[in-house]
Amino acid sequence: AQSVTQPDIHITVSEGASLELRCNYSYGATPYLFWYVQSPGQGLQLLLKYFSGDTLVQGIKGFEAEFKRSQSSFNLRKPSVHWSDAAEYFCAVGARGGGADGLTFGKGTHLIIQP
Amino acid sequence: ETGVTQSPTHLIKTRGQQVTLRCSSQSGHNTVSWYQQALGQGPQFIFQYYREEENGRGNFPPRFSGLQFPNYSSELNVNALELDDSALYLCASSVDRGPSRYTFGSGTRLTVV
Repeated sequence: AQSVTQPDIHITVSEGASLELRCNYSYGATPYLFWYVQSPGQGLQLLLKYFSGDTLVQGIKGFEAEFKRSQSSFNLRKPSVHWSDAAEYFCAVGARGGGADGLTFGKGTHLIIQP
Repeated sequence: ETGVTQSPTHLIKTRGQQVTLRCSSQSGHNTVSWYQQALGQGPQFIFQYYREEENGRGNFPPRFSGLQFPNYSSELNVNALELDDSALYLCASSVDRGPSRYTFGSGTRLTVV
C-alpha cells in the first residue's frame, strides 16, 4: 500500500529565511507526486506536481520540489519565505494512468512564520 | 471557470442522523472525488465517481455513499452518523479519470454531536 510521511508536524521559519519541508513516500512504482497548501478553513491549492522528466519541479508562489528516487523523497523548498506562506502543507502520492484510487496524503506540516 | 463549490459550508448533526453534502463542479469535469479530513490530519480518499458511476473507493464503510449527476453536481451521503465522522469533507473534480488535475472545493465542516 502506498503511504506518505511528513516527518515535521510543525516548522517555524523567520520571514525571509529559506524553507525546506520534507516528504518521503512508499509506492511500488514511480508515482505521481504533489504538494498542496491549505489555509485555515480552506480547501487545497496545488503548489506543484511531478509526473516525469526533470526531477526539479517549479511551482507557484516561488516554490520548488526535487524528486529523489533513491531516497523516495519529494522535498519542498522556497528560498525566501513571506508571512503569507504560513499555512498547512501536504505532500501526496497518486497512481499513474487513470487510477481511481485517489491521492494518499501525508499528515501535513504546519508552517509558522516569525517576523 | 467557476471553480468547485461545496454546500453547506458548516453543519451540525446528531449521532445516528443522516447527512447529504453537495458539490458543484466545473463544466466538463467528469470525475469527482470526495475526501474526509479529520482535525490535524491529511485528507483521506473516500471514493471517486466517473461519469455517474463509482469507480474507486477508499477504506470507508458502505454508510458512506455518493451520487454524481449529469449537470456536474454530486452528493456525499453519510448514514448513521458517528462522532468520528466529524471532519472537513472536501470535493475534488477533474477532467481526467485520475487525480492528476484536481480542483478542490473549500469543503464542508461537519460536526456530529
